[in-house]
Amino acid sequence: DAKTTQPPSMDCAEGRAANLPCNHSTISGNEYVYWYRQIHSQGPQYIIHGLKNNETNEMASLIITEDRKSSTLILPHATLRDTAVYYCIVRGNFGNEKLTFGTGTRLTIIP
Amino acid sequence: DAGVIQSPRHEVTEMGQEVTLRCKPISGHDYLFWYRQTMMRGLELLIYFNNNVPIDDSGMPEDRFSAKMPNASFSTLKIQPSEPRDSAVYFCASRAGGNQPQHFGDGTRLSIL
Repeated sequence: DAKTTQPPSMDCAEGRAANLPCNHSTISGNEYVYWYRQIHSQGPQYIIHGLKNNETNEMASLIITEDRKSSTLILPHATLRDTAVYYCIVRGNFGNEKLTFGTGTRLTIIP
Repeated sequence: DAGVIQSPRHEVTEMGQEVTLRCKPISGHDYLFWYRQTMMRGLELLIYFNNNVPIDDSGMPEDRFSAKMPNASFSTLKIQPSEPRDSAVYFCASRAGGNQPQHFGDGTRLSIL
């Protein structure tokens, strides 16, 4: 699987949009980008995933660049409950079930 | 909808004892995964099943660890005998086929004294 690079930490003011970047410059054509987050002492929570088109769901939006070498997770109106470690993971669709969780980005929402 | 259910949530036991962790995947999911999380090593995949059959157990640390999935709605991870270095949070996850994401349970926090 392609390696991902994320900033170790970010702050965001409550109510503002949180934009979390991820670089995956070695991504291959059949690999998806998945985003998870982990709130202290809980299991990783799935947020969103995509291949090449931008995606939106009730939690977040995922913007993938045209060359697919990077992506941005957007939490449109951050709340204190969004404070967590966010993981960007790249995984192929077939034959490789392993999700490689790196160190992620520790997002802190500031009141 | 019920998510992945794990039990117990916490387990404290003495070294040498047998430990059994349990997982109920989301109904209809045909993949089940066991992970271990520690501060030192992060989140590690131990083993996964597809349609109740173990597919990859290369992450299982040693023979003291074993996992079974007797049916589509239940799996166990057993450690016998347990050692203090097995102390960690153990997560179970499940997913449907294709490119569907894995969904995780809330984990079992295991402490071996």
